[in-house]
Amino acid sequence: GESVGLHLPTLSVQEGDNSIINCAYSNSASDYFIWYKQESGKGPQFIIDIRSNMDKRQGQRVTVLLNKTVKHLSLQIAATQPGDSAVYFCAERVNTGNQFYFGTGTSLTVIP
Amino acid sequence: NAGVTQTPKFQVLKTGQSMTLQCAQDMNHEYMSWYRQDPGMGLRLIHYSVGAGITDQGEVPNGYNVSRSTTEDFPLRLLSAAPSQTSVYFCASRKGYNEQFFGPGTRLTVL
Repeated sequence: GESVGLHLPTLSVQEGDNSIINCAYSNSASDYFIWYKQESGKGPQFIIDIRSNMDKRQGQRVTVLLNKTVKHLSLQIAATQPGDSAVYFCAERVNTGNQFYFGTGTSLTVIP
Repeated sequence: NAGVTQTPKFQVLKTGQSMTLQCAQDMNHEYMSWYRQDPGMGLRLIHYSVGAGITDQGEVPNGYNVSRSTTEDFPLRLLSAAPSQTSVYFCASRKGYNEQFFGPGTRLTVL
C-alpha cells in the first residue's frame, strides 16, 4: 500500500500563533492531495486540496504547500484559534485512480 | 442537502452476528466508499462504488459485502462479525475526482 505519514503525532500551539502540520508521501505518481480536519466523534471534514501541478494553494487562514522533489506536503494555519483543535491528516490519490491513501493524523491542541 | 448520512451511530454486536451499516447521500455523487478508522492508523478503504450496479474492493475487503442498487444508497454488510471488525466506519461520497464528503461515522464494537 501507499505510505502517507506525518512527522509529528501531536502539536500544541498558543492561540494566535501559526501552526504548521507536515505530511510525507511515498508515491511520486500521486497527483492530488487533500487535507482533512477531524474533530472528536465526527467525520473528516475537507479543508483544502492541491493538485500536483501546483506548489501552493491558499484558502481562508490555511495554506497548503507541496514539494514534489522531497514528496512533502504541509498545512499552515494562520492565527490558530481554539476551534482549530482537532486531528489533521493528509490524503493522496495516485494517478487519477479511485483510491485515496490517508495518513495517520496529527493532533493539534490550541492553548488559550 | 443532508450530505452523507449514516445509521446507526453506535452498534454492539456479538461475534458471529451479521448486520448492515446504512449510508445515503443526496448530492447525486457517482462515487461512494466505505472506510474503517482504527487507532494509530489512517483511514483504510473497504469497498467502493463508481456508480449504481458497480462495486469494487478496496484495501481491506474481507468480511464485508456491499451493493449499490441506487445512486443514493451504499450499505455495508458484515456477514459474521469478528472482534477484529471493532472500528469506526465512515461512508464517503464524491463527484468525479474531487474532494470526498464524509458521513458522521458508525462506532461498532464486536464482543
